[in-house]
Amino acid sequence: DSGVTQTPKHLITATGQRVTLRCSPRSGDLSVYWYQQSLDQGLQFLIQYYNGEERAKGNILERFSAQQFPDLHSELNLSSLELGDSALYFCASSVHSASAGEQFFGPGTRLTVL
Amino acid sequence: AQTVTQSQPEMSVQEAETVTLSCTYDTSESDYYLFWYKQPPSRQMILVIRQEAYKQQNATENRFSVNFQKAAKSFSLKISDSQLGDAAMYFCAYRSFSGGSEKLVFGKGTKLTVNP
Repeated sequence: DSGVTQTPKHLITATGQRVTLRCSPRSGDLSVYWYQQSLDQGLQFLIQYYNGEERAKGNILERFSAQQFPDLHSELNLSSLELGDSALYFCASSVHSASAGEQFFGPGTRLTVL
Repeated sequence: AQTVTQSQPEMSVQEAETVTLSCTYDTSESDYYLFWYKQPPSRQMILVIRQEAYKQQNATENRFSVNFQKAAKSFSLKISDSQLGDAAMYFCAYRSFSGGSEKLVFGKGTKLTVNP
């Protein structure tokens, strides 16, 4: 158990819909990262938040957005869903420090868009 | 931009034997981190081992060790005394050391099968 929690574990929805994925980082971790794992694209970085502020963006679609709340939990919002958005979405957290490299991953949310 | 390449989509090993998974990367940075993550069928991402680029000594964690060749930009993972529980996807990952984005850049993965 990494200490990172994600809900829900599974999500099945239809094209055009909107969903919200939730992540709670490890206690004390200020940075939250979102990654998407799909069969064709592999593991790709989407976005990073540090202590409530957006810190870096990766290949995140405009239909996707995220935020980190004062209690440090984060939500990833996916809208106007398409079949190709079906993937495993991971949240990871880390202590924000140049000396600490590890990111600890949650169990993931499997999104299926029908 | 940094890239990570894992040239072996699949590998297999006999139980109790040793196997080496390959990883190469491309970067212009001098300081960075390298990682191997394991993803078993449960899909959980588990950190196996990490290496700081400024350290010349290769990292080891029990049966797992790396061969880090900075000049060659190579970072292979050796699994000794392979066990059935080692069967999984293994991902090599790169992370910048300096400030800015601390995102992980992953390779495509190597699927390891352990035969009894």
